Amino acid sequence: AQRVTQPEKLLSVFKGAPVELKCNYSYSGSPELFWYVQYSRQRLQLLLRHISRESIKGFTADLNKGETSFHLKKPFAQEEDSAMYYCALNQFGSYKLIFGSGTRLLVRP
Amino acid sequence: GAGVSQSPSNKVTEKGKDVELRCDPISGHTALYWYRQSLGQGLEFLIYFQGNSAPDKSGLPSDRFSAERTGGSVSTLTIQRTQQEDSAVYLCASSSRGGSFTEAFFGQGTRLTVV
Repeated sequence: AQRVTQPEKLLSVFKGAPVELKCNYSYSGSPELFWYVQYSRQRLQLLLRHISRESIKGFTADLNKGETSFHLKKPFAQEEDSAMYYCALNQFGSYKLIFGSGTRLLVRP
Repeated sequence: GAGVSQSPSNKVTEKGKDVELRCDPISGHTALYWYRQSLGQGLEFLIYFQGNSAPDKSGLPSDRFSAERTGGSVSTLTIQRTQQEDSAVYLCASSSRGGSFTEAFFGQGTRLTVV
């Protein structure tokens, strides 16, 4: 069965420190992976997807099929990065986006 | 409208009562999804509508939950005989085609509290 695991409920870092939000998935086929973000009092929105291999707001995520991971990284965290981050998995051609339990990132000044 | 709209924003109901949650998707989006966001539980898939196809109801947690989508646009999620464990934020999302989550947009959610 498809499953997404985000082991950290809360990650607290100081401004300027590197940050890595962990995501591991369980899926036997070819996954499509995403990171979604929800800022305070805002809607859930797409941050990035692995297929695009892009950097959004300084964040990157690399799919590691060997370790079944899709960790989200940023070299220098900013206070405005404080938000709830969800990792999600979708089977190619499917429509059930499976979410992890989320990690709250708190960037302190 | 400019985005996915959900109403009400907040709903407090007594245990045992029925509630209806509404979702207005982005105009022209053929796919519509409902998710439930519980504290510490992530987002739980509930149901999916795509055009005129039969909806995928496999995520609905019990037969107290049902959903309709009228005219391929507005959707209503109904919870009958609400229980305290139904308390959560219910999110709706729409996309221009199924399975393409780069184009999925979420509503602001309905926070349901069952007392």
